[in-house]
Amino acid sequence: EDQVTQSPEALRLQEGESSSLNCSYTVSGLRGLFWYRQDPGKGPEFLFTLYSAGEEKEKERLKATLTKKESFLHITAPKPEDSATYLCAVQATGFQKLVFGTGTRLLVSP
Amino acid sequence: AAGVIQSPRHLIKEKRETATLKCYPIPRHDTVYWYQQGPGQDPQFLISFYEKMQSDKGSIPDRFSAQQFSDYHSELNMSSLELGDSALYFCASSPSGSGAILGEQFFGPGTRLTVL
Repeated sequence: EDQVTQSPEALRLQEGESSSLNCSYTVSGLRGLFWYRQDPGKGPEFLFTLYSAGEEKEKERLKATLTKKESFLHITAPKPEDSATYLCAVQATGFQKLVFGTGTRLLVSP
Repeated sequence: AAGVIQSPRHLIKEKRETATLKCYPIPRHDTVYWYQQGPGQDPQFLISFYEKMQSDKGSIPDRFSAQQFSDYHSELNMSSLELGDSALYFCASSPSGSGAILGEQFFGPGTRLTVL
């Protein structure tokens, strides 16, 4: 069964304090790994798609990387507006559904 | 830019009642997905449709049914509601074709269903 585990569950950073979120996955055949941002009571907002080990993608203060077993979301010099829950999801080959992890709740203090 | 539209945004029902949730995908998106997110939990896939045909199925209870119409909007019908059905229900859509990023799904704002 496809599975996604995210750590830590919650992370508190000071503004400007860089860190990384981890997403470990097991999947029968990886079609894609996705990172989403979710604010309370809102729908997940798409950030990145990664398809193969070694791939990296960047967007503003965020950088996502992928290996054969895990993905990292690096946050460089975060700001309070980066506070949200970050969700990782995998899509297996031949399937359309996304299998999500439980997310990392990030709080960035000024 | 146009986003996924869901209605209603909030819904309160009694146990054993029925509910219908509606989803209007982004224009030119032909695939819709339904997810259920309980409090403090991750989104759980329910069902998806492509070109009005069911394309994938997850942990959708037999009490629930869904369909996609010719204009690509979708409806999730929920019967014999239980307390445990209280959750946020998200619809997502994606395009097919050469211009689409493989697998990327755009989520709507969700419908918050409360069963009393």
